[in-house]
Amino acid sequence: SYVLTQPPSVSVAPGKTARITCGGNNIGSKSVHWYRQRPGQAPVLVIYYDTYRPSGIPERFSGSNSENTATLTISRVEAGDEADYYCQVWDSSSDHVVFGGGTKVTVL
Amino acid sequence: QVQLVESGGGLVKPGESLRLSCAASGFPFSDHYMSWIRQAPGKGLEWVSYVSSSGTTIYYADSVKGRFTVSRDNAQNSLYLQMNSLRPEDSAVYYCARDSCSGAGCYHFELWGQGTLVTVSS
Repeated sequence: SYVLTQPPSVSVAPGKTARITCGGNNIGSKSVHWYRQRPGQAPVLVIYYDTYRPSGIPERFSGSNSENTATLTISRVEAGDEADYYCQVWDSSSDHVVFGGGTKVTVL
Repeated sequence: QVQLVESGGGLVKPGESLRLSCAASGFPFSDHYMSWIRQAPGKGLEWVSYVSSSGTTIYYADSVKGRFTVSRDNAQNSLYLQMNSLRPEDSAVYYCARDSCSGAGCYHFELWGQGTLVTVSS
């Protein structure tokens, strides 16, 4: 089955840029979606189809996807960005939704 | 108000059954694919099941296939998850989630419920 690999944690100072990676075999050929989950809350979609932002998501959030790595970038990080972030794809070979293990973003 | 509200969670013993419900409101439920996604305490998200808008196409995670059954009642704007032969490792918050696209599956989720907790323990 298809596997997505994320770093367990990323730390970033306020105002700096956080980059969260999501590795997968030839992930560049798939559409990657990203979710933010704050403690005690349901996940929220922040990026879909690699680069698109849903309405209400700040422009500070951006995504990219190439070859074996997709990346969620959070610019000008704020304290409110502290959360767990998950990447997700649809694996058409198995008809399965696949989530990465999640990355905890800590704002220093 | 556009929302999903799950119910039916609780404490059950290993081997027992439980049926979860998800009530949808504020949008045309019958137009959207729906999914169940769970999260064990302190763990990441795990996809459980996916059902097409008509209910005719259904997918399951390998970990639940043969034990869980997803269904929907479009007339009642409701999604269900029948869970049989429950195991301790099924303990989790179960979320229902709406596929972002209308009329077809695009396999990402823009609307989530707040979840219902299932605990399987003797």
